[in-house]
Amino acid sequence: QSALTQPASVSGSPGQSITISCTGTSSDVSVYNYVSWYQQHPGKAPKLMISDVSNRPSGVSNRFSGSKSGNTASLTISGLQAEDEADYYCSSYTSSNTVVFGGGTKLTVL
Amino acid sequence: QLQLQESGPGLVKPSETLSLTCTVSGGSISSSTYYWGWIRQSPGTGLEWIGNIYYSGSTYYNPSLKSRVTISVDTSKNQFSLKLSSVTAADTAVYYCARALRPRFSPIDSWGQGTLVTVSS
Repeated sequence: QSALTQPASVSGSPGQSITISCTGTSSDVSVYNYVSWYQQHPGKAPKLMISDVSNRPSGVSNRFSGSKSGNTASLTISGLQAEDEADYYCSSYTSSNTVVFGGGTKLTVL
Repeated sequence: QLQLQESGPGLVKPSETLSLTCTVSGGSISSSTYYWGWIRQSPGTGLEWIGNIYYSGSTYYNPSLKSRVTISVDTSKNQFSLKLSSVTAADTAVYYCARALRPRFSPIDSWGQGTLVTVSS
């Protein structure tokens, strides 16, 4: 199974909005709504930010939102804050009854 | 509050078997709502799903690792374990144990802190 495709890096200034894309195939993102997004700060375990394409777990800021169109899912962070600087990973359930992750995107807050 | 804690050797020799255990506290591993699994992250790289197990013992593995991986569960100890055989330097990584929601292994809503395993002679 091939990893989902994410941009290696994105950046934005405080207060701005950014979007991270996650492109899959007809075996994962496009056919299932089991897309999740994780935030990982250096040396820490990943933290769930979005589940099932667009659901925000309790305790996650409403500045984080998710969506999907076709085989591409997206994570949008609005009102960027310094604490949002981290690596972000998408994942999807696949038709092979497995899980596949994206390669990760490093978000820099300028 | 659910907690997951990995334990096991931090150094494994090439060609040997990597063995890790995850101890679950604050919740029952016998819950019908969740799978339990392992994810790894090689230094400076992304996340790789290794596999999941249900408390009944049903297992699901990454096809690229399937021939070398065994995940097992011990409900009496509220633990599950990972064995990865014939390791090479490419298996050097931080290994996370985690909990995933049924029925589609998604989302992974709770993670251990991770444990670094280095493969070296």
